[in-house]
Amino acid sequence: GDSVTQMEGPVTLSEEAFLTINCTYTATGYPSLFWYVQYPGEGLQLLLKATKADDKGSNKGFEATYRKETTSFHLEKGSVQVSDSAVYFCALTTNRDDKIIFGKGTRLHILP
Amino acid sequence: DGGITQSPKYLFRKEGQNVTLSCEQNLNHDAMYWYRQDPGQGLRLIYYSQIVNDFQKGDIAEGYSVSREKKESFPLTVTSAQKNPTAFYLCASNIGINNQPQHFGDGTRLSIL
Repeated sequence: GDSVTQMEGPVTLSEEAFLTINCTYTATGYPSLFWYVQYPGEGLQLLLKATKADDKGSNKGFEATYRKETTSFHLEKGSVQVSDSAVYFCALTTNRDDKIIFGKGTRLHILP
Repeated sequence: DGGITQSPKYLFRKEGQNVTLSCEQNLNHDAMYWYRQDPGQGLRLIYYSQIVNDFQKGDIAEGYSVSREKKESFPLTVTSAQKNPTAFYLCASNIGINNQPQHFGDGTRLSIL
């Protein structure tokens, strides 16, 4: 079945460091891919999305490129801030139904 | 402002009682979802509804029930049959067309005393 695998956390970085959170997926068909962010005590917010191969989603300095050849959608940011501390979820949905498959989440801690 | 409202934010109930969590959306979305999130865990789908008066079980439906009498509302009842109900519950919606993202409420944290 469809699945999403993302790197386990927690990930701890210093402010202004470069961030990569790895995400790979397994899906039949042509999934759309998402990154969501969850701040403490809140729901999930859509951070960025990509709907076809080679698309790049971007928002708030974060980027991710839909790589069909490697079935990956890694999240990157060039210079993280303390305010980026949160849990990040990689997810996919397919054109078979409107359910979303989530990864288990990666907790990110940014130290000042 | 359009969005999803979950209430209450915190809920405490005694063991053996049923409790209902509210979820309302004014996004005109057809599809709505309930997830459970445990500490350090991902999201697990409880129930979902793609249209009014219809809903389907997700991966962990046992001990839960839902209704979808109105497009805007999708309440979740945690029954006494749910063995371990203490968790963070998230409601979501989307327009019901495949390949679209879901929009989430801010969640309800349920604690059983």
